[in-house]
Amino acid sequence: KQEVTQIPAALSVPEGENLVLNCSFTDSAIYNLQWFRQDPGKGLTSLLLIQSSQREQTSGRLNASLDKSSGRSTLYIAASQPGDSATYLCAVTNFGNEKLTFGTGTRLTIIP
Amino acid sequence: ETGVTQTPRHLVMGMTNKKSLKCEQHLGHNAMYWYKQSAKKPLELMFVYSLEERVENNSVPSRFSPECPNSSHLFLHLHTLQPEDSALYLCASSQEVAGGLLTGELFFGEGSRLTVL
Repeated sequence: KQEVTQIPAALSVPEGENLVLNCSFTDSAIYNLQWFRQDPGKGLTSLLLIQSSQREQTSGRLNASLDKSSGRSTLYIAASQPGDSATYLCAVTNFGNEKLTFGTGTRLTIIP
Repeated sequence: ETGVTQTPRHLVMGMTNKKSLKCEQHLGHNAMYWYKQSAKKPLELMFVYSLEERVENNSVPSRFSPECPNSSHLFLHLHTLQPEDSALYLCASSQEVAGGLLTGELFFGEGSRLTVL
């Protein structure tokens, strides 16, 4: 059974710093991995989708990497801003079990 | 309207009530999902409809009953719920290849916050 872990559960950094969020998964036979952002009381917004054949994806200040063999993905946020404060979730889709398995998220606070 | 829209945004109901959550997607997608999000727990998949057929029923209690009348609309009918069913219920949609794996990028609605008294 796939398990997705995100550590730390919460992170606070000063505005302007670069930061990395971590996601690890136990079953490396994934089809893709998706990063989401969730603001308090709101739904999830898709940030980046990485196919299993890809190593990374970039969107603006965000860069997500994928290392399937080690079961890890990172989300790099450059030049952080207070508006980046949210909970960030990663989720994977496995071959043969076609549904996303989510982590519990990292709650990010950017301090002005 | 664009994206995925969920109504109501907030719902308070007693244990004997019957209510429904509604989801509508304006993205032209062919698969729709219900997820449950409880505090400090990962999102739990409840139901999946692909091409209007239910393809996943993740051991959800029968007091939750989904309905997908067409590819744009999804309902979750609620009956005799328990206080532990209080959670944020999220609807999502994706575009899938017919007969293929459900691997498309998910787009979520804002959620319906349910409180069962």
